[in-house]
Amino acid sequence: DAGVTQSPTHLIKTRGQQVTLRCSPKSGHDTVSWYQQALGQGPQFIFQYYEEEERQRGNFPDRFSGHQFPNYSSELNVNALLLGDSALYLCASAQAGVYTEAFFGQGTRLTVV
Amino acid sequence: RKEVEQDPGPFNVPEGATVAFNCTYSNSASQSFFWYRQDCRKEPKLLMSVYSSGNEDGRFTAQLNRASQYISLLIRDSKLSDSATYLCVVTGGADSWGKLQFGAGTQVVVTP
Repeated sequence: DAGVTQSPTHLIKTRGQQVTLRCSPKSGHDTVSWYQQALGQGPQFIFQYYEEEERQRGNFPDRFSGHQFPNYSSELNVNALLLGDSALYLCASAQAGVYTEAFFGQGTRLTVV
Repeated sequence: RKEVEQDPGPFNVPEGATVAFNCTYSNSASQSFFWYRQDCRKEPKLLMSVYSSGNEDGRFTAQLNRASQYISLLIRDSKLSDSATYLCVVTGGADSWGKLQFGAGTQVVVTP
């Protein structure tokens, strides 16, 4: 079992650009959530996808959008990157209705310059 | 006010000693509580769930006080490998299933 996998692991982008991050959930999981973790802070909930729809959303602007595919994998897109978007982006997967533990991927470290 | 608050530390602990720290949460409707461990530049990993009756897992003991809205974690006989950031995590009611609310973390440094 590969667990939750994210790609890429590191990324450097220029202010104003757009970025797409990818996540494959743990086998058997159908729900994917995305979190942003700035340096020295705890992860902040961005949004959650289930059955290819955004089910919940945290306090993030519309520049942050996502998608879930039929195979449950997910993408996080961020448009018009700001320096403040530099962070570790974590994907977590779980099985809907059987929430005992969210499994996290190793994260994508995004640096905006 | 943040929904989940933790003392950032660091807690410097001699090897073999006991360390304890708390976390407070603001949403009285919160239903599930966890401690996650995060090593430097790594992903968070579940350490233990926290139940109202309190629970123990080896050297780790977690307690929940719903009346005062705080969660605690105690580590006995600290090991060097316990050095990490401990994240307090709370989830809300049924309408926020799976949405984890994290504290900023408490850093623990175990020294020889």
